[in-house]
Amino acid sequence: QKEVEQNSGPLSVPEGAIASLNCTYSDRVSQSFFWYRQYSGKSPELIMSIYSNGDKEDGRFTAQLNKASQYVSLLIRDSQPSDSATYLCAVNKFTGNQFYFGTGTSLTVIP
Amino acid sequence: DGGITQSPKYLFRKEGQNVTLSCEQNLNHDAMYWYRQDPGQGLRLIYYSQIVNDFQKGDIAEGYSVSREKKESFPLTVTSAQKNPTAFYLCASSTQRVENEKLFFGSGTQLSVL
Repeated sequence: QKEVEQNSGPLSVPEGAIASLNCTYSDRVSQSFFWYRQYSGKSPELIMSIYSNGDKEDGRFTAQLNKASQYVSLLIRDSQPSDSATYLCAVNKFTGNQFYFGTGTSLTVIP
Repeated sequence: DGGITQSPKYLFRKEGQNVTLSCEQNLNHDAMYWYRQDPGQGLRLIYYSQIVNDFQKGDIAEGYSVSREKKESFPLTVTSAQKNPTAFYLCASSTQRVENEKLFFGSGTQLSVL
């Protein structure tokens, strides 16, 4: 079983819509959760981190964590064409300080 | 500016050759990592180090070697034993403070086989 699973997409949304990206993780001892954005040919860029159950908002981005369901999501409001990228979900099990990544979801925002 | 510097940006390897990818950070982070990314796949951990002079194998360490002689530096050698080395290689670092252990990446090295 993979540590982190994401739908690979591709996910397409019209400009101005809400994009919803989902991620599940297998190990309940996972403590920290992250969303990275990666443009083609570039390195991943951290956009959100979340450590406790509930919602965390930063500008147009909202991360949601549900530890009971082992589920973390990212909502992008008012999607822009510049949001078109691959979004990687990552978890950290602090013991060993290892980060585990999903395969990423490709998002296209259509003007 | 603080950050992680990877070099070179592009690297070509001949058959039977060892090549070394450089990674330097000035973020004063204790932990450093090497990941490999293949098209359409996520990041796979090659090696990681939590402290100077110590490192551990990740999921795909075969055919690779590392050293951690200085806190700032974590070079990766792709040996001739790695038969399929073409990939995008990412170096990363993090603190180890709980709830502040964010992972930051360098700009990556694209390795190709001639």
